[in-house]
Order: sequence, then C-alpha cells, then structure tokens
Amino acid sequence: DTGVSQNPRHKITKRGQNVTFRCDPISEHNRLYWYRQTLGQGPEFLTYFQNEAQLEKSRLLSDRFSAERPKGSFSTLEIQRTEQGDSAMYLCASSPPVGQGTSGEDNEQFFGPGTRLTVL
Amino acid sequence: AQKITQTQPGMFVQEKEAVTLDCTYDTSDPSYGLFWYKQPSSGEMIFLIYQGSYDQQNATEGRYSLNFQKARKSANLVISASQLGDSAMYFCAMRASLTDSWGKLQFGAGTQVVVTP
Repeated sequence: DTGVSQNPRHKITKRGQNVTFRCDPISEHNRLYWYRQTLGQGPEFLTYFQNEAQLEKSRLLSDRFSAERPKGSFSTLEIQRTEQGDSAMYLCASSPPVGQGTSGEDNEQFFGPGTRLTVL
Repeated sequence: AQKITQTQPGMFVQEKEAVTLDCTYDTSDPSYGLFWYKQPSSGEMIFLIYQGSYDQQNATEGRYSLNFQKARKSANLVISASQLGDSAMYFCAMRASLTDSWGKLQFGAGTQVVVTP
C-alpha cells in the first residue's frame, strides 16, 4: 500500500499524559499537513511542512503541541500534558511537489486514516 | 476571513437517484480552489473533485459533478445514480491562493448522506 499511513490508529490516554502520533506520507510527496477533526466538524488545519521545514502553524497549535519532520519524510505530532479537549481525530495529509499533481491540481491532498485520540 | 458553509447537516437519498449537496464559500482572494471530499465511517478522507476559480467549465469526475456558480459563490456537488456505498460524510473545502499560500484547506462542517435501498 503506497498511501498515507498513520500510527497508532487509536490512542486512549489519561489527562496529563504525553502522546505522540506518526505520519508516513506518500514517498514522493514533499508537502505534509496535519489537521484535527472533532466530532461533527470538518478538519481544521494545524501545521504544514515542506520537506523538513515547518512553514505554517495554526493558532490552534498551542505550546503543548509540537510537530517535527526531521528528514523530510515521516512526521510526528506530540501533545504534552493532554487535556480532555484534545480528544479528536488527528489527520495527516500529503501532497506532491508543486506542478506534479496527478490530477493537474497542485494542492490535491491525500489523507491518511487518522489517529483517534481519547483523553480520559 | 475565509469561510465555507454547508447548510445541510444530513440527507437521505434513494438508491439510483441524484443528490445535490450545497456549499457556499466566502473569500476576497481572486484565485482559489474548491474541493469535495468523502469521509466514510472508516474515517479516511477521499478526494472526489476539484474546481479552480478560473476554470471555465464545471468539473466532472465519473458520477460526481460540481455546479460552480462563481457570482453566487457556490460550489454544489451533484452525485448522480446514488449507490449504497455513497453513504458517508461529505466535506466541501477551499484553498485561497493568497491566504492559504502553502496550500492548507479550509473545510465546511460537512453533510451526512444516507443512501437507502
């Protein structure tokens, strides 16, 4: 399978614990996005990487959240001191380099299956 | 600020019938892209169709077509000949070239579609 993968698929944790999620994008995609989706809502943008550089962060990304993409391949999203309000689906998406979109649309994003976080 | 509005929280449609999902958007950016994604109960977002703001023709992709009315700022998705497998949440999304220069998408709240036999 050459799609975007995310691990774990589900995570249950207690309030105050730290959690880390991993995203493996499609191999030739240099652009990577993290989104958060709460129940009954559409995804909300969290952060964007182009290669290893984190170029954009949403104000939703509080100082308890940190994301990395150290070698420009996989990415991790860490939440420190989790709160119940962090319970959500965390989605990762990747895009090919500009001009190489298969459908002719540079910004078509391919999503992974998500990591569902439950904070008790 | 950019905004995507999907006014239909849920819809029932009979198998083989067509269904139209509404989406309106608000942006002052002259260049933007509009997307529709499908999210089944499994959770994965599946790209369906794209419309660019300068595209002269409405986008079509198999049974999906996008009714793009630029002056009204609407981008409704039409699914023809509905199938049971079309039951899912459908999201409209927008990328504005200047505001979202790195390509992030802004999503609406979604419409839940249930296809009945």
